[in-house]
Amino acid sequence: ELKVEQNPLFLSMQEGKNYTIYCNYSTTSDRLYWYRQDPGKSLESLFVLLSNGAVKQEGRLMASLDTKARLSTLHITAAVHDLSATYFCAVDISKRADKLIFGTGTRLQVFP
Amino acid sequence: KAGVTQTPRYLIKTRGQQVTLSCSPISGHRSVSWYQQTPGQGLQFLFEYFSETQRNKGNFPGRFSGRQFSNSRSEMNVSTLELGDSALYLCASSLAFTSGHNEQFFGPGTRLTVL
Repeated sequence: ELKVEQNPLFLSMQEGKNYTIYCNYSTTSDRLYWYRQDPGKSLESLFVLLSNGAVKQEGRLMASLDTKARLSTLHITAAVHDLSATYFCAVDISKRADKLIFGTGTRLQVFP
Repeated sequence: KAGVTQTPRYLIKTRGQQVTLSCSPISGHRSVSWYQQTPGQGLQFLFEYFSETQRNKGNFPGRFSGRQFSNSRSEMNVSTLELGDSALYLCASSLAFTSGHNEQFFGPGTRLTVL
């Protein structure tokens, strides 16, 4: 059974600090997605990583994928309060983006 | 382009009843997937439809079913509701290509409460 694990599950960090969220998965896949979810809201797509070594950056967030290690990371640079949300990674096991297996989620709280 | 829409947004039912949720995908998207989100189990894949056929199915009991219409709109049905079915049900659509940039776009969700 495919498992997608994220750590940490909860992250409380001060504004201006850097941190990394890790996403490990247990099967071969070269497609991985990162989503953001605000409380009571739906999922917002952040990054689409489609190959080994893929790196995407948007603002203070940068995501990477190492398919050999079955590991993706979401790096936060100089955190700001607006980044407070829950972040999910999701592995695409069908390669058609029609069946995603989600990680446990990382709840990020950024305080002044 | 309009996004994925779901109706209703909120629903309250009692145990034993059944419920039908609706999802309209982004125009041109033929794949519709359904997910259940609960605090305890997280986000879990229910099933996926493409061209009116169920192509993928998650590990949910037969009380959970769905269908897709010729215009790609999809419905999911839950019969004999249980308290544990209380959840946010998310619908997502995609082009379902096997190569190139492809991703799922999620709707706002339907919040189901079973009393």
